[in-house]
Amino acid sequence: KNEVEQSPQNLTAQEGEFITINCSYSVGISALHWLQQHPGGGIVSLFMLSSGKKKHGRLIATINIQEKHSSLHITASHPRDSAVYICNTDKLIFGTGTRLQVFP
Amino acid sequence: DAGVIQSPRHEVTEMGQEVTLRCKPISGHNSLFWYRQTMMRGLELLIYFNNNVPIDDSGMPEDRFSAKMPNASFSTLKIQPSEPRDSAVYFCASSAGALNEKLFFGSGTQLSVL
Repeated sequence: KNEVEQSPQNLTAQEGEFITINCSYSVGISALHWLQQHPGGGIVSLFMLSSGKKKHGRLIATINIQEKHSSLHITASHPRDSAVYICNTDKLIFGTGTRLQVFP
Repeated sequence: DAGVIQSPRHEVTEMGQEVTLRCKPISGHNSLFWYRQTMMRGLELLIYFNNNVPIDDSGMPEDRFSAKMPNASFSTLKIQPSEPRDSAVYFCASSAGALNEKLFFGSGTQLSVL
């Protein structure tokens, strides 16, 4: 069974800082998903990755298939980025989530 | 498109009662997933369907839980009888493909079993 680990569990940042959230998994996968859960509870898919790197606005996601590791980066963080970020493998197994708080 | 639609948004029931959660996936999506989120265990897959056929139900806790997808536009998750430990947020999500397509989540159903 695939084990999915995320780090850090909690992250506090000042507005403008560069943020990195990490996700590691134990077995080969077809795709890794990065999700964002807002304080109100809604979940939005940010990225779906099979290889390489994707960018959307200030968000960048990378995956290293050989190392079984993915990272989510937020450049120039903003208070509205405050949320829980969750990685997921093949829509089946979830990481425990990273709670990000960005202060002005 | 209206997105994935779940109902009800909130459900409060007493232990032993039957609970039915409903989901309408995005039109054209052929994969549907039921997830449960609790403080203790986070998000977990309960079951997923591909083309209305259950593919993986290994996450369904026990026989009290059942899920159906009678057609491409509707799915139900039923708990009978409900227990307090079933209290959680239940999410339905759909995608255009089983694994390599983006997931779209419904707003969730907050279930409280007293």
